Amino acid sequence: SQQGEEDPQALSIQEGENATMNCSYKTSINNLQWYRQNSGRGLVHLILIRSNEREKHSGRLRVTLDTSKKSSSLLITASRAADTASYFCATDAAGGFKTIFGAGTRLFVKA
Amino acid sequence: GAGVSQTPSNKVTEKGKYVELRCDPISGHTALYWYRQSLGQGPEFLIYFQGTGAADDSGLPNDRFFAVRPEGSVSTLKIQRTERGDSAVYLCASSPGSGTDTQYFGPGTRLTVL
Repeated sequence: SQQGEEDPQALSIQEGENATMNCSYKTSINNLQWYRQNSGRGLVHLILIRSNEREKHSGRLRVTLDTSKKSSSLLITASRAADTASYFCATDAAGGFKTIFGAGTRLFVKA
Repeated sequence: GAGVSQTPSNKVTEKGKYVELRCDPISGHTALYWYRQSLGQGPEFLIYFQGTGAADDSGLPNDRFFAVRPEGSVSTLKIQRTERGDSAVYLCASSPGSGTDTQYFGPGTRLTVL
């Protein structure tokens, strides 16, 4: 079973709106990462947040981490049609090497 | 610089055949991962190499799957007696150091078992 679970499974918004995706996980982690995957195959790393951090920003991306609730959120502000993709959270379990991905949120931004 | 490359990009084989999938990581990256991704799902961890050794192979589904990285660079994922359920995109990723670093993914190999 997968460690990270994203919700919603799918999200459709208008260009210019904000998109929020959530991720929950089960065990203690070293860090949590968000990746993006366009239709096709390669995943692109977006942002990494460590277990001792609570919030991180990168351009239009804002990630929060709440280790007490074992959850994270990814906010994309002022969305663009080019943001249409699948977004995955991934966790590295503390003390381990395995990276566990969730099933992803499919974001569709309408122009 | 060059990113992670994977060959072939597509592989079609028949049930029962043997296949090899190759991954060329970013030069200098010591960590290498293999994942399998089915349609509509997230990547599923298969194996992690640190240098030449498999530090964690707990994700390999059964003994038909095997991976090597003999010189600590290129890695090959080997699947024996392929089954239709092995059809998926096989992704490789590398990172500079330990398992807590950002991973850089290749474009994947789409394996279809007929």
